[in-house]
Amino acid sequence: TAGITQAPTSQILAAGRSMTLRCTQDMRHNAMYWYRQDLGLGLRLIHYSNTAGTTGKGEVPDGYSVSRANTDDFPLTLASAVPSQTSVYFCASSDEGQGGNEQFFGPGTRLTVL
Amino acid sequence: GQNIDQPTEMTATEGAIVQINCTYQTSGFNGLFWYQQHAGEAPTFLSYNVLDGLEEKGRFSSFLSRSKGYSYLLLKELQMKDSASYLCAVSDSNYQLIWGAGTKLIIKP
Repeated sequence: TAGITQAPTSQILAAGRSMTLRCTQDMRHNAMYWYRQDLGLGLRLIHYSNTAGTTGKGEVPDGYSVSRANTDDFPLTLASAVPSQTSVYFCASSDEGQGGNEQFFGPGTRLTVL
Repeated sequence: GQNIDQPTEMTATEGAIVQINCTYQTSGFNGLFWYQQHAGEAPTFLSYNVLDGLEEKGRFSSFLSRSKGYSYLLLKELQMKDSASYLCAVSDSNYQLIWGAGTKLIIKP
């Protein structure tokens, strides 16, 4: 099985443009997450979804939106990108909401906003 | 506020033992995770502690003291492939993971 896939692998985006980062998992996990990882900082949660049809805000949600139409897909949209959104973005999933369940990570998307 | 502290960088010798510490202050506690992350790759799960004590898994062990807000990851018989960043994360009262910035471990021959 593929686990979690993310697309694109990397992207350079002009400020003000919109973009959707894709995330798909084939493990039938209920919960999914989007994180950003910046040098010198820990992973920071952007948005999460405990089950299909529901989403919640994490620590740094501003400028991002998500949807969870089905179990497998959890896209992250930047409506109008700004340079501070330059980061590595990881999608993750787990069996249940965070609790004691191990999170499985996708390979990441490296985004540069100029 | 919520805070996870771990050393920024550590160096150790191949074949030796290294201990990576993590201290935390969070609103509630529902377990502590350790992940390994090689440069340019995704984090991968190493261990989970929710009760005090030592959990051993091959060359890796993880310890937790909830009263002290403290954990460590112990790596034995170090190999060059253990060169990576090690991330400590705590599940808080809302079951959200709070992540430390990670400890970069450099292994020298």
